[in-house]
Parts: sequence; C-alpha cells; structure tokens
Amino acid sequence: QKEVEQDPGPLSVPEGAIVSLNCTYSNSAFQYFMWYRQYSRKGPELLMYTYSSGNKEDGRFTAQVDKSSKYISLFIRDSQPSDSATYLCAMSQAGTALIFGKGTTLSVSS
Amino acid sequence: GAGVSQSPSNKVTEKGKDVELRCDPISGHTALYWYRQSLGQGLEFLIYFQGNSAPDKSGLPSDRFSAERTGGSVSTLTIQRTQQEDSAVYLCASRSEVRRANDQAFFGQGTRLTVV
Repeated sequence: QKEVEQDPGPLSVPEGAIVSLNCTYSNSAFQYFMWYRQYSRKGPELLMYTYSSGNKEDGRFTAQVDKSSKYISLFIRDSQPSDSATYLCAMSQAGTALIFGKGTTLSVSS
Repeated sequence: GAGVSQSPSNKVTEKGKDVELRCDPISGHTALYWYRQSLGQGLEFLIYFQGNSAPDKSGLPSDRFSAERTGGSVSTLTIQRTQQEDSAVYLCASRSEVRRANDQAFFGQGTRLTVV
C-alpha cells in the first residue's frame, strides 16, 4: 500500500459545481497536510495548509483533515474554469520530506 | 528573490552526459527538497536538506544521482551518465521550519530535463 493514495481522475464538472477531492494515507504520524495546485508546465503552488485535524476555509476552498480515518479532503465551491488544474495532496511529519499523492486532474467547463 | 528559483528551466542532454541542476531557495528557509515529476505522475521525493543535519537521501533512485547544498543556501542536483528514463521535471522546494505555523513548502518552476 502506498503511503498516500489519490484518485488521478480526470474529474470533469460544469462551472459553478462543488468539487470534492480526496486523499487517504496510511502513516498515522503525519501531522502536516497540504493541497497544491499545479497548472500545466508550472511548479506546484500551495493552496491550503492544515496542521493536525480540523477544517480550514479560504474563500471558495475548504480543507478537511480526519486523522481518525486517515482521510483528507479539499472542497471547491462555485468552481470556475480557472480552477482547471491538477490538485496534489501532500503530507509530512515534523522535519521530514513531504509525501505527495499522484494528483487529481480537474477540468471545469464553462 | 521572492520565490524559489531554478535553473536552467529546460535542459536537453545526450545520453551518457552529466547534468547539473540548480536551486536557489527562499532566503532564510532552512529546509530544501528535490522532487522528480514524470509525465502523468505525482512528485517523487529525491533528497531533503534540513539545516546542518545530514541530508535524507533515501529517495535518490541510483548512485548516479547526488546533491549538495552549499552554505545552507543554494543546492545543486547532479545526474551522472544520464539515461533516457531520467527525463522528467525536477522540482525544488524550500520550507521554513523555524515555527510550526510557517511549515509550508514553496516550489520553484522546475527544470525540464530531456535525455536524447
């Protein structure tokens, strides 16, 4: 079993839809959880960052961490064509390398 | 600079040649990572530098790969005797681990390596 599992998609939704992206993980020691967005031929950019369990909201984006289930989610409300990108989850323990999921490709059509 | 800078942005090399990829991290960031991203794949961890500690080299795929970080700042990833399967985007990230609240990694734009 890989440390971090993420469905690669692709995921296609109409503009305005609510998008749910998810990752599961196996290492219960992970404490830091991140979502990155990556546009084609660009480096990943940090979207959301959460320490330990709980929810975090930033504009149209909400990140959730459920450590008991080893499950993290990213919700995008009122999705826009500009949200079309690959979304990568990442997680780590303190002072260790980030471990990434394979990424989910999202396409939002207008 | 304001962000992580990588050079060159693109590199085409012949099989068997050595290449060096450079990363300038965000000033003051103590942690630096190298990752590799092949087409349609996620980010594969290569190596991690944290301050003056011994680097975590557990992700390096073979002894043809090496990296160093001079003066706790600039890092160079070297691939010797390149092979076609080394073709990928090599990404560098830096992270401040001074305080938990700032424990966020920022990436450069990557170096696209093509071995022909």
